[in-house]
Order: sequence, then C-alpha cells, then structure tokens
Amino acid sequence: DTAVSQTPKYLVTQMGNDKSIKCEQNLGHDTMYWYKQDSKKFLKIMFSYNNKELIINETVPNRFSPKSPDKAHLNLHINSLELGDSAVYFCASSQSSSTDTQYFGPGTRLTVL
Amino acid sequence: EDKVVQSPLSLVVHEGDTVTLNCSYEVTNFRSLLWYKQEKKAPTFLFMLTSSGIEKKSGRLSSILDKKELSSILNITATQTGDSAIYLCAVYPMRGSQGNLIFGKGTKLSVKP
Repeated sequence: DTAVSQTPKYLVTQMGNDKSIKCEQNLGHDTMYWYKQDSKKFLKIMFSYNNKELIINETVPNRFSPKSPDKAHLNLHINSLELGDSAVYFCASSQSSSTDTQYFGPGTRLTVL
Repeated sequence: EDKVVQSPLSLVVHEGDTVTLNCSYEVTNFRSLLWYKQEKKAPTFLFMLTSSGIEKKSGRLSSILDKKELSSILNITATQTGDSAIYLCAVYPMRGSQGNLIFGKGTKLSVKP
C-alpha cells in the first residue's frame, strides 16, 4: 500500500497554462507539505498544512495555491506556468507539525515548455 | 538565516570502502536533525537525531549528532553499489510553535564495483 501518493508522476505543459498536482496520504498524519526540488537537487519547503490549515507559506509566488479538502489530501494548483517552475515537486506528510519524521511521495516531474 | 551545509558535495568510492558524510547547521532553536537517502525517486527516511552523542544504527549505516559542534555525521561501512544515492541532511528549527525542515544540498555518493 502506498503511504504518500502523487498524481501525475510526469507533467509536460506549455508556458501560461494552469495545472494541478494531487497528493494523498493514508498514514493518518495531521500535517502535509509541498517541496520543490530544482535541477541541482536542492529540496526546499513551499507550504505546510496542519489539519487542513495553512501553517507555513515560504516565499512562493502567489501563482501557487495549495488546497486541502481534508487532512489526507493536499493539492497544488499552479497558474500561469513559467519556465522556472520546471522542477520535481514532492508531497510529504508527518504525524504532527513539529519535529516528526516526514515521509515523501514519489514526486511529480513538471516540465514547462 | 537558517542553513544546513553538507560535505563533500560528491564522493566516489569502491565497494567495501567506508565513507563518512558530514552535515553542519546554523538554525534558530534546533530541535532535531534527519538524514534521508534519495535514489531516483523520493527521499527515504534513514535517521532522526535529537540527542547529542547517541549513535543510531541501521545495518551498515550509523549516525551521530554533536550539538556542541552543530554537526552530524553519517557513516556507511562496507559500501555496496546499492548505496549509490544522494544523502540529504535536514534540520528542524523552531519558529514559534511550528517548524519546517531545512535541507542541505546533499552529498552524491557513487559506489563503484
């Protein structure tokens, strides 16, 4: 059984389009995260949600909007995609929002042409 | 600014060698340090360290935290080709009541047969 799953695994799209990435965790965790990993493999936090509420919003363009319909899901919607948005996006979850181990999804490779 | 620095950035060894990967950090109100292994897909959890001087061990891998030196090491003995991966170090600082993982840039380990 997959603990943290993301769809799609690959996403290729044109500049200016709007796209969404979905994330689901079946671990019963309270907190979910979105990370961006660039071409140099640097992993950086974007957002964190605890029980459907936003708790961390790092310096991310407002074209990125997370949505958490329930605590098992955290989706990422991106408007007006730009070339620099090309990266691998990882979803993760942890039991609570501080100091707990985070478990990562398989990643979504986004390519903006 | 909180930061995590890993060294070396890359390392090439032969099967059977022992390697030591380094992680140093400067963060506000340190809570814990985590090591992850990233092969082709998602980072997978290895260790979480919160107390100084207590070694955590899993098979051929071990890790220890030195809070006085603000650092941690990850040791891999009798390396195998399957150990080839990027090893990520991450630290939880605490800002208010919440924290988010700050990742280093990783050490790319290549184990040659």
